[in-house]
Amino acid sequence: DAGVIQSPRHEVTEMGQEVTLRCKPISGHDYLFWYRQTMMRGLELLIYFNNNVPIDDSGMPEDRFSAKMPNASFSTLKIQPSEPRDSAVYFCASSPVSGVQPQHFGDGTRLSIL
Amino acid sequence: QKEVEQDPGPLSVPEGAIVSLNCTYSNSAFQYFMWYRQYSRKGPELLMYTYSSGNKEDGRFTAQVDKSSKYISLFIRDSQPSDSATYLCAMIYNQGGKLIFGQGTELSVKP
Repeated sequence: DAGVIQSPRHEVTEMGQEVTLRCKPISGHDYLFWYRQTMMRGLELLIYFNNNVPIDDSGMPEDRFSAKMPNASFSTLKIQPSEPRDSAVYFCASSPVSGVQPQHFGDGTRLSIL
Repeated sequence: QKEVEQDPGPLSVPEGAIVSLNCTYSNSAFQYFMWYRQYSRKGPELLMYTYSSGNKEDGRFTAQVDKSSKYISLFIRDSQPSDSATYLCAMIYNQGGKLIFGQGTELSVKP
């Protein structure tokens, strides 16, 4: 079991640049979640998918953020244009069902916007 | 007011101590309560979960839920340096819902 795989692990870029974060969920998991973690706000759910369909994107902070899941084994979170306040650790998680089943997290992408 | 409140710490204890980690919440509709552990530069991993009020024990860990007080706790007995991590409480309204996380408490167990 390879676990949830995220790339890149670290990203440093300048303000205004487009940033794309990638996630490969665990095979067979129907739910995929994108979270953002900061010291100030803790771990926040941005968006989640069920069977590749976005179910709840109410946590997406602004239109600069977008997420896609073109197939069951790949998802992207894109920020365009990026701003310094987007600096955070972004986690992807997957689970076989939503709710009480454990969500399996990747090791995150540490994003710094200069 | 946040739905889930958790003291961020940091909390430092000597090896062998009993640790008590706590969260309070405001919405009585929460039904399932979980504790996740997060090591430095890693993603959170599920440690324990409970449904409704009561206690659940797993080795050195005990999760306690008091729905009347809207208060949950995680106790760690005989704490070890390997328990040093951030502990996040999380809760959910129903089986199909989304997790609401607390801020996380950073724990350090000193040898």
